[in-house]
Amino acid sequence: KNQVEQSPQSLIILEGKNCTLQCNYTVSPFSNLRWYKQDTGRGPVSLTIMTFSENTKSNGRYTATLDADTKQSSLHITASQLSDSASYICVVSARDTGRRALTFGSGTRLQVQP
Amino acid sequence: EAQVTQNPRYLITVTGKKLTVTCSQNMNHEYMSWYRQDPGLGLRQIYYSMNVEVTDKGDVPEGYKVSRKEKRNFPLILESPSPNQTSLYFCASSLSLVSPTYYNEQFFGPGTRLTVL
Repeated sequence: KNQVEQSPQSLIILEGKNCTLQCNYTVSPFSNLRWYKQDTGRGPVSLTIMTFSENTKSNGRYTATLDADTKQSSLHITASQLSDSASYICVVSARDTGRRALTFGSGTRLQVQP
Repeated sequence: EAQVTQNPRYLITVTGKKLTVTCSQNMNHEYMSWYRQDPGLGLRQIYYSMNVEVTDKGDVPEGYKVSRKEKRNFPLILESPSPNQTSLYFCASSLSLVSPTYYNEQFFGPGTRLTVL
């Protein structure tokens, strides 16, 4: 069964600090991995997309890494800001069609405090 | 502006009273999907549609219906809502789920918060 597990479930950091969120997956055959940011009560918005051959992808202060061998990804946030407070969702796509193509993690809730 | 819209954004109703949540996208996307999001469970797929008149069940379809008569619209219908359907609902669309998926990002609507009393 395809699964995506994220850790930690929640995280509190001080403004200006860095943090790293983890995503482990068992989706097969792997196609790509996305990180989404979801503000409270709003729809998820894509941050990065990575395929099998990509190890690192950056989007401003967000840097995602992918290790396809160990089936792990991380999202690193540099110099956090209050606006980074949100849930971060890891979504893995399988090379498949239909509903089983996407597997969602349950998210990491990040709170950045002043 | 490319977007996915949902209406209503908030809805409080009573058990058994039929309701419809509308979803529309202006990006000519083939693939549309409905999700519900509950605390600690993440996003779970209710129904999806690969194209007009092509719909299929997701992981949690019980108590829901959908239709896809036009490419841009994908309404979610609750024939007889129950309290366990109280949730935050998201509609999403992507260009296609069949073609190479790298650029097939899903665009999410703003969400509909439904409360069934």
